[in-house]
Amino acid sequence: EAQVTQNPRYLITVTGKKLTVTCSQNMNHEYMSWYRQDPGLGLRQIYYSMNVEVTDKGDVPEGYKVSRKEKRNFPLILESPSPNQTSLYFCASSRRLAGGDSYEQYFGPGTRLTVT
Amino acid sequence: GENVEQHPSTLSVQEGDSAVIKCTYSDSASNYFPWYKQELGKGPQLIIDIRSNVGEKKDQRIAVTLNKTAKHFSLHITETQPEDSAVYFCAARANAGGTSYGKLTFGQGTILTVHP
Repeated sequence: EAQVTQNPRYLITVTGKKLTVTCSQNMNHEYMSWYRQDPGLGLRQIYYSMNVEVTDKGDVPEGYKVSRKEKRNFPLILESPSPNQTSLYFCASSRRLAGGDSYEQYFGPGTRLTVT
Repeated sequence: GENVEQHPSTLSVQEGDSAVIKCTYSDSASNYFPWYKQELGKGPQLIIDIRSNVGEKKDQRIAVTLNKTAKHFSLHITETQPEDSAVYFCAARANAGGTSYGKLTFGQGTILTVHP
């Protein structure tokens, strides 16, 4: 089954304690990204990766790090979490469909993070 | 950077009626416009997309129209059903460095409720 998995699904942590949210896809997609979803703001892109070892900043990268050492994994790292990073986080992967104008894209189920 | 505005924020319709959600974008370089449906507790799901060389695209009960000159695009759902109730997001993407995987900017979302 084609899917994007995220772990953990729920996390409560304290300010300053480093954490990593993992993301994995089994579809051999080149493109992966991370978003945060906040009420009234929609989804905002944090980082994206166009392939292994190729990453770039999205609209809200401050306070986050990513790495893409393998095609299937794209972890999100919060070196020193703060309360304003309390949010719902989504990982997504996609690829452009050959010969067409559409993208095959999947979002993970989300990780709800609370930083106290 | 790109800015995407989405209206309305909430939309309530009777089953069988049509629903229209509108988005405007600011970056004339944007050339890919996807729409997502997000059900409660799940990640967004791509439902339809359109590229800037096409004015309209239809898939069964949903259609998307694009006015590149005015920089706005709309989602049309006909013969709505209760299972169409969800949050809908529009998004816009521009090319980045010759690839099609540039930044993806989302609208704020529309909560659609279809009453039986």
